[in-house]
Amino acid sequence: QKEVEQDPGPLSVPEGAIVSLNCTYSNSAFQYFMWYRQYSRKGPELLMYTYSSGNKEDGRFTAQVDKSSKYISLFIRDSQPSDSATYLCAMSAGNTPLVFGKGTRLSVIA
Amino acid sequence: NAGVTQTPKFQVLKTGQSMTLQCAQDMNHNSMYWYRQDPGMGLRLIYYSASEGTTDKGEVPNGYNVSRLNKREFSLRLESAAPSQTSVYFCASSSLDSGSSYTFGSGTRLTVV
Repeated sequence: QKEVEQDPGPLSVPEGAIVSLNCTYSNSAFQYFMWYRQYSRKGPELLMYTYSSGNKEDGRFTAQVDKSSKYISLFIRDSQPSDSATYLCAMSAGNTPLVFGKGTRLSVIA
Repeated sequence: NAGVTQTPKFQVLKTGQSMTLQCAQDMNHNSMYWYRQDPGMGLRLIYYSASEGTTDKGEVPNGYNVSRLNKREFSLRLESAAPSQTSVYFCASSSLDSGSSYTFGSGTRLTVV
């Protein structure tokens, strides 16, 4: 079992839809959780950062961490065509390099 | 605001040739990383340098060497390129603080024929 599992998609939704992206993990030592967005032919960019369990909201984006279930989610409200990208979850125990999921490719259709 | 700069952006090599990928950051970060990204495989860590003067192997180090030249620069060398090393290579950096996020470069697209 990989340390971090992420459904690669692709996921296609109409503009305005709510998008839910998820990752599961096996290492209970992980306590730093991130979501990166990667546009085609670009490097990943940090989108959301969460420490330990709980929710974090930033505009149309909400990140959730459930450490008891080893499950993290990213919600995108009122999705826009400009949200079309690959979304990668990443996590770390703090003193080790980030471990990335394989990424989910999202297309938002106008 | 350059952030992380990678050179070259594109490269085609013949099997057996060598080359060095360059990476430099201007954010005074202590830690630097090299990843490769392949379709369906996600980002896989090749080598990293937690601080100047140290380097450690990641998940897929075979066929690669690294040099942390100074605090700003971290290079990745392919001594004898193989077609299996065809990939997109990303350099990243972070501060030494526990749990710090990474800043990525724009990548090097390498094709080995």
